[in-house]
Amino acid sequence: SQTIHQWPATLVQPVGSPLSLECTVEGTSNPNLYWYRQAAGRGLQLLFYSVGIGQISSEVPQNLSASRPQDRQFILSSKKLLLSDSGFYLCAWSEGSISGANVLTFGAGSRLTVL
Amino acid sequence: GQNIDQPTEMTATEGAIVQINCTYQTSGFNGLFWYQQHAGEAPTFLSYNVLDGLEEKGRFSSFLSRSKGYSYLLLKELQMKDSASYLCAVMDSNYQLIWGAGTKLIIKP
Repeated sequence: SQTIHQWPATLVQPVGSPLSLECTVEGTSNPNLYWYRQAAGRGLQLLFYSVGIGQISSEVPQNLSASRPQDRQFILSSKKLLLSDSGFYLCAWSEGSISGANVLTFGAGSRLTVL
Repeated sequence: GQNIDQPTEMTATEGAIVQINCTYQTSGFNGLFWYQQHAGEAPTFLSYNVLDGLEEKGRFSSFLSRSKGYSYLLLKELQMKDSASYLCAVMDSNYQLIWGAGTKLIIKP
């Protein structure tokens, strides 16, 4: 069966510090991978998605970046965090085929507080 | 623009039935999803509708009317553990998911 791991679960970082959130998927190959951010009272905001190694699509211009160094590894990074980067970050995967029925399976989430 | 509307919060009684509505305006349609999200946790998949009609899955059912841009999630025999946010999401013509802000469901004994 497929599993998704995301870490760290929580972190508190000062403004201007770097960020690295990591996500790995097991039990599948060539998945679609996603990074979302969820702010209180708002819908999930898609930040990045990837359909393959080294292929990253950015949905929202900001000071975050994503990388996919291996087929089942997805990393969210920032060189200098802003206060507005605080939020709940979710990694997700879906089957690699393009289909309306692709169900997203989410990692447990990472709660980031920037002070 | 693309838009998903659902009520912000609803309250229901344990053992009762509740219907959570979702209306959408999107560029094309390739299916509608409902996810459940407990506080502080990740969303989990509940249902998928792509054709008009009712899909039943145990205590949960989801309905879709594509001509009206409307869906609802019906929860029967409510239990305290059903207290959660329920997220409606539509896949548009580019196979991108558009998310609603979620409906927080509060169950009272």
